[in-house]
Amino acid sequence: DADVTQTPRNRITKTGKRIMLECSQTKGHDRMYWYRQDPGLGLRLIYYSFDVKDINKGEISDGYSVSRQAQAKFSLSLESAIPNQTALYFCATSDRGQGSYNEQFFGPGTRLTVL
Amino acid sequence: RKEVEQDPGPFNVPEGATVAFNCTYSNSASQSFFWYRQDCRKEPKLLMSVYSSGNEDGRFTAQLNRASQYISLLIRDSKLSDSATYLCAALSPGSSNTGKLIFGQGTTLQVKP
Repeated sequence: DADVTQTPRNRITKTGKRIMLECSQTKGHDRMYWYRQDPGLGLRLIYYSFDVKDINKGEISDGYSVSRQAQAKFSLSLESAIPNQTALYFCATSDRGQGSYNEQFFGPGTRLTVL
Repeated sequence: RKEVEQDPGPFNVPEGATVAFNCTYSNSASQSFFWYRQDCRKEPKLLMSVYSSGNEDGRFTAQLNRASQYISLLIRDSKLSDSATYLCAALSPGSSNTGKLIFGQGTTLQVKP
């Protein structure tokens, strides 16, 4: 079984709809991240959390919100989806206490299309 | 200027060739760097970490040049299976507690028979 899972894997929705993307991990990592990937722009950080009580905005948090329900679960919500939120979304995790080593492990991604 | 920049390519090379990619970073306080490999529509996976001057793993060598603020990835004896996008990432300075990475836009490699 995959260590980092994301649901759904694909989603098509309409402008104005509320969407939740879910991420679960079995790696026991404290840190979790949400990224979006657009062609030519690489991975951009939306939100990150380094424990259940700590959530931080990334570089492109507008239009998104998150919830860290447990150490293993980190959800991303689009309260009112718009077409320019069409992208590939990745969840990632990393361990704490490794100094500068910080390898991130990615989920398989969610392809979201907003019509 | 982006904090981490890569030439998007594509780099088209024949099998067996040696190819090198560079990645520049703007914050001289960055200490740790990573190369990730991403296959089409799949998740990125860590290829190599670079913390000091360099790292080597088989056909892959990563080097760090702090004076010029770039890291490089060298692939020797290219295989068809090396075709992918290679993402460079820098640990955001002061982020050893959060593990926050800044990614470049990726470099696409196509290895042809």
